[in-house]
Amino acid sequence: GNSVTQMEGPVTLSEEAFLTINCTYTATGYPSLFWYVQYPGEGLQLLLKATKADDKGSNKGFEATYRKETTSFHLEKGSVQVSDSAVYFCALSARSYIPTFGRGTSLIVHP
Amino acid sequence: EAGVTQFPSHSVIEKGQTVTLRCDPISGHDNLYWYRRVMGKEIKFLLHFVKESKQDESGMPNNRFLAERTGGTYSTLKVQPAELEDSGVYFCASSQEGITDTQYFGPGTRLTVL
Repeated sequence: GNSVTQMEGPVTLSEEAFLTINCTYTATGYPSLFWYVQYPGEGLQLLLKATKADDKGSNKGFEATYRKETTSFHLEKGSVQVSDSAVYFCALSARSYIPTFGRGTSLIVHP
Repeated sequence: EAGVTQFPSHSVIEKGQTVTLRCDPISGHDNLYWYRRVMGKEIKFLLHFVKESKQDESGMPNNRFLAERTGGTYSTLKVQPAELEDSGVYFCASSQEGITDTQYFGPGTRLTVL
């Protein structure tokens, strides 16, 4: 079946540090890949997505590239801010529209 | 435009009691979904409504869970009787007709069963 594995957290960084959150997946066919973010007290928000191999999703300074050869969709940001502190979920959507989520990675950014 | 809202935000009940969670989707969204995240684990799909009809309830864990969507508007998820393993965060999401990979999520209800 489909599955998503993402790095365990929490990830703790200082402001302006470089961020990488690893995500790998297992799926049949050619899934779409997503990153969702959940800020404290809020619902999940779609951060970015990519629908085919080599596509790069980007939003709010975050980027992730769909790597079919390594079945990965790592999330990166060049300079994190305190306001980026949140839980980040990697997900895929295959033939079904129902996303398969990873366990979430908590990011804590200190001033 | 108001987002997806859920009530209550937190609920603490004892094993064997009944709890009802409510979700109000974005106005006009035909699709409504329920998900659950048990502590530290993946967010798991529970079920999907299209208007008032259950389209897919393959993720419902057992018959202690009952979901309804009266009139195709808000939805309720009842757990009766609650067990310890039902603790977690229950998310609701909605999407427009036909646009199902862009779902808008609510803040979740944190359920604790003691």
